[in-house]
Amino acid sequence: EAGVAQSPRYKIIEKRQSVAFWCNPISGHATLYWYQQILGQGPKLLIQFQNNGVVDDSQLPKDRFSAERLKGVDSTLKIQPAKLEDSAVYLCASSPSERGSTDTQYFGPGTRLTVL
Amino acid sequence: SQKIEQNSEALNIQEGKTATLTCNYTNYSPAYLQWYRQDPGRGPVFLLLIRENEKEKRKERLKVTFDTTLKQSLFHITASQPADSATYLCALAPGGFKTIFGAGTRLFVKA
Repeated sequence: EAGVAQSPRYKIIEKRQSVAFWCNPISGHATLYWYQQILGQGPKLLIQFQNNGVVDDSQLPKDRFSAERLKGVDSTLKIQPAKLEDSAVYLCASSPSERGSTDTQYFGPGTRLTVL
Repeated sequence: SQKIEQNSEALNIQEGKTATLTCNYTNYSPAYLQWYRQDPGRGPVFLLLIRENEKEKRKERLKVTFDTTLKQSLFHITASQPADSATYLCALAPGGFKTIFGAGTRLFVKA
């Protein structure tokens, strides 16, 4: 079984530029998550999708971050414009059922973003 | 406010010894608690889930305890090996949504 795929693996941009990350979850997984992990901290949930609907986006900085999950499969996370404090690893995860966070989550390798 | 605390200092132990990591939480009543392992440059990998009505859970050399009175979980690795060196994260999902992770504890196992 293929794991969660993310691209790109690394991205360096200047502040005020825009950037997009892509995630392909494990086939058949209903729930998809985007996390932000700053160096030395645990992952922080940004947004959780169940199929193609948003379950929780309370910690997503909506003035600059946006996310969508097309047809309940792939997902993109966009930052526009980026700030220095957005430098972090962006992790995508998926889980099989629709029960949400109580399921085991399968994580991708992450995208390391550096904002200069 | 809600908080999850894990040992911020790295844990250094000798190969063959038991490693014990602590996760404390406040202002939560979680139904579940999970432990994940994270290696540098990789995403977390699920290890164990323990429910509030379970006191202890084991998987091979791993053991997790969950004390809802103390609001604490202990994670044990017995007969530790250098390959166990990683960061270990505990995670709670209060109400079944919005998984919240601790900052993790780095474990170093010396040969």
